[in-house]
Amino acid sequence: EAGVAQSPRYKIIEKRQSVAFWCNPISGHATLYWYQQILGQGPKLLIQFQNNGVVDDSQLPKDRFSAERLKGVDSTLKIQPAKLEDSAVYLCASSPPADTQYFGPGTRLTVL
Amino acid sequence: QKEVEQNSGPLSVPEGAIASLNCTYSDRGSQSFFWYRQYSGKSPELIMSIYSNGDKEDGRFTAQLNKASQYVSLLIRDSQPSDSATYLCAIPSGGSYIPTFGRGTSLIVHP
Repeated sequence: EAGVAQSPRYKIIEKRQSVAFWCNPISGHATLYWYQQILGQGPKLLIQFQNNGVVDDSQLPKDRFSAERLKGVDSTLKIQPAKLEDSAVYLCASSPPADTQYFGPGTRLTVL
Repeated sequence: QKEVEQNSGPLSVPEGAIASLNCTYSDRGSQSFFWYRQYSGKSPELIMSIYSNGDKEDGRFTAQLNKASQYVSLLIRDSQPSDSATYLCAIPSGGSYIPTFGRGTSLIVHP
């Protein structure tokens, strides 16, 4: 079974630039999550999708972050404009409803 | 405010020893508890889950849950250098399946 795919794996941008990350969940998994993991901390949930609907985006900084999951499969997370404090690993995870999460390899973002 | 607390470590143990990792939580309504392992530069992977008070064993790993005292522990017996990683405690608040993660404890197993 293929795992959760993410791209790019690494991204370096300057502050105020925009960036987008892509995630392809495990086939058949209805639930998709985006997490932000800052160095030395645990993952923090940014947004949860159930199929193509948003379940929880209470911790998403909506003034600069946006996410979508068109057609209920792939998802993109965008940051515009980026700030220095956005430097982190962005993890995508998927799961069947109300079940264990499986994480992708993550995208390491560095904002200069 | 949901809180999951872990000592960041590092916890250093010799090869073959028992490593004991602890986690406390604030939400008394929590019903499920997870331990993830995260190697440096890699993503978290689930290694243990526990739902009821007491111990749950899986190979060299034992999860211990005490809901009255609001703590959950992970014991690793016969620790190996390959166990060196950060161990994340993850606990959904009552009624939710979305876990809140602790900051993780770094474990170093030295030969």
